[in-house]
Amino acid sequence: DAGVTQSPTHLIKTRGQQVTLRCSPISGHKSVSWYQQVLGQGPQFIFQYYEKEERGRGNFPDRFSARQFPNYSSELNVNALLLGDSALYLCASSLGQGLNEQFFGPGTRLTVL
Amino acid sequence: AQTVTQSQPEMSVQEAETVTLSCTYDTSENNYYLFWYKQPPSRQMILVIRQEAYKQQNATENRFSVNFQKAAKSFSLKISDSQLGDTAMYFCAFMKQDTGNQFYFGTGTSLTVIP
Repeated sequence: DAGVTQSPTHLIKTRGQQVTLRCSPISGHKSVSWYQQVLGQGPQFIFQYYEKEERGRGNFPDRFSARQFPNYSSELNVNALLLGDSALYLCASSLGQGLNEQFFGPGTRLTVL
Repeated sequence: AQTVTQSQPEMSVQEAETVTLSCTYDTSENNYYLFWYKQPPSRQMILVIRQEAYKQQNATENRFSVNFQKAAKSFSLKISDSQLGDTAMYFCAFMKQDTGNQFYFGTGTSLTVIP
C-alpha cells in the first residue's frame, strides 16, 4: 500500500506569490494534518481536517488556508509568501480522530526568495 | 497552551551502547498522549513509541523504552543496543486527548550512532 504522498517535492517561489501544496492520505484514512517545519526546528501544527471539516488550526496567519476533498486528499494554500514561509511542509494522515497512529509524508520543501 | 522542550540539541552514542534522550512538557491537561518520532535524513517521520498519560506503566517497543514521570512532566526515551540505523533526529510530541491529530513537537535531538 502506498504511504502518504505529497506534491511537489520541492518548490521555489518569490515573495508575494501564492503556493498550493497537495497531500494524498493513505487509503482509508479520513484525517489529514499539516505541519510547518522550519530548518532546525520541530514541526509546528497548522491545520487538521477530518471528514472534510476543519477540526483544528494552529497559530498561523490567515494567509494560510486548507481544504479537504471528498476523496480525503488535501491542499494547503499560502498567499502573499514571505521569506519566513520557507520550510518543509509535512502532511500526516490517520484513520480518524483520537488516538490513531499518524503517518507522515515526505514533505514539500518550499523556498521563498 | 502546550509546550514541549528537548534540551539536548545533539547527542552521540557508540554502537551497541545505551542512550537516553530527554523531553519535558508543560500542560494543564490531565488526559493526553506523548510520542517519540524519528526523522532520518530522508525526512519521513516515523513513530517510535507512544505513551498514554493515564497509564502508569512505561511503554516499551523492542529496544526503545520510555521513562514517563507525569508529576514531573518528563518523558525520556531510552535506546538500548544502539544501531547505526538509529542515527536520526528524534522529536518528542504531545497530543491532547480531546483533539484529533494536532501534535505539539519539541525542537528535536540529533542522535548520531558511532560505529
